[in-house]
Amino acid sequence: KQEVTQIPAALSVPEGENLVLNCSFTDSAIYNLQWFRQDPGKGLTSLLLIQSSQREQTSGRLNASLDKSSGRSTLYIAASQPGDSATYLCAVFSDKIIFGKGTRLHILP
Amino acid sequence: ETGVTQTPRHLVMGMTNKKSLKCEQHLGHNAMYWYKQSAKKPLELMFVYSLEERVENNSVPSRFSPECPNSSHLFLHLHTLQPEDSALYLCASSGAGGGDTQYFGPGTRLTVL
Repeated sequence: KQEVTQIPAALSVPEGENLVLNCSFTDSAIYNLQWFRQDPGKGLTSLLLIQSSQREQTSGRLNASLDKSSGRSTLYIAASQPGDSATYLCAVFSDKIIFGKGTRLHILP
Repeated sequence: ETGVTQTPRHLVMGMTNKKSLKCEQHLGHNAMYWYKQSAKKPLELMFVYSLEERVENNSVPSRFSPECPNSSHLFLHLHTLQPEDSALYLCASSGAGGGDTQYFGPGTRLTVL
């Protein structure tokens, strides 16, 4: 049974710092992995999707990596800004889509 | 209006009521999804429709009844709900089923009294 874990559950960092969010999954037989952002009271916004054959994807200040063999993905955020404050969720797509519980990120001005 | 829209945004209902949630996507996608987000629990996939056919039902109680009349519209009919069904219900769409990027609506915050 696929399980997705995100650590830490919450993170506060000063503005301008680079940071890494972690996602781990137990079954490496996945099609792809997707990172989402959720602002309070709102739906999810897709950030990056990494196919199982890919190692990383980049979009602006965001870089997501995927290591299937170790069951890990990271989301790197460069030069963090207060507007990056949100909950970040990773989701693994295999025969089902399984979400982690998310990491609540707070960027301190 | 663009993207994925959901109505109503907030809903309060009693356990004996019947209500429906509506989702509409303006992206030309073929697949639509219903998710449940409860406090302190991971997002749970409830139903998947691809080309208006239900392709997945994740052991959801029968008090939740989905309907997909066409590829742009998705409904979730609710009846005799329980207080533990209170949650944020999110709709999403994607180009096709499987692992295509999903685009989410803002959700409906449901409270069952």
